[in-house]
Amino acid sequence: DVKVTQSSRYLVKRTGEKVFLECVQDMDHENMFWYRQDPGLGLRLIYFSYDVKMKEKGDIPEGYSVSREKKERFSLILESASTNQTSMYLCASSLGGGGYGYTFGSGTRLTVV
Amino acid sequence: AQSVTQLGSHVSVSEGALVLLRCNYSSSVPPYLFWYVQYPNQGLQLLLKYTTGATLVKGINGFEAEFKKSETSFHLTKPSAHMSDAAEYFCAVSAGTSGTYKYIFGTGTRLKVLA
Repeated sequence: DVKVTQSSRYLVKRTGEKVFLECVQDMDHENMFWYRQDPGLGLRLIYFSYDVKMKEKGDIPEGYSVSREKKERFSLILESASTNQTSMYLCASSLGGGGYGYTFGSGTRLTVV
Repeated sequence: AQSVTQLGSHVSVSEGALVLLRCNYSSSVPPYLFWYVQYPNQGLQLLLKYTTGATLVKGINGFEAEFKKSETSFHLTKPSAHMSDAAEYFCAVSAGTSGTYKYIFGTGTRLKVLA
């Protein structure tokens, strides 16, 4: 069964900490994505990547960065966590082309205190 | 630019009743359209998708959706609701050009099934 695995289900971090969210897929997908999900706002795209070492900004990249050193791994980095980054973070991957759909991880619920 | 509108953030139906969740899209190119379901504290799972061909698309768990280009709609239906259908549902449209696709999601509709 194909999988997207997010390293943590729940995280609690302090304001100002540097936070790493890890995502690994075992499907050899070219594309990987990070979204955040907030009530009433749906899913908002933070960053995405179409190839190793390649990244593009999504709709809300401020305060975040990403790293993709290997095809199967896509990391989201909160440089200095703030309380307004408390959210559910979802990683997804897909094959190239628009008609395949995403495979999502189970999500990481991050609380910044 | 592509966009998605889901009408109704909360929908309640009785068990056994018809489920209808509405999705309208805007796209400057022929769209790829998707419905996803999210159960509590889980990621999103693909229910069904429309790419090309038949406009009535069948998915998992008895759901189906019809692509209506003239109405720019892709509503999700199920003839008879089950308690297990209670979840949040997201409509999505693809955006971008060849090799650079990403999806735009609606804000979601939470379905409640009443016994």
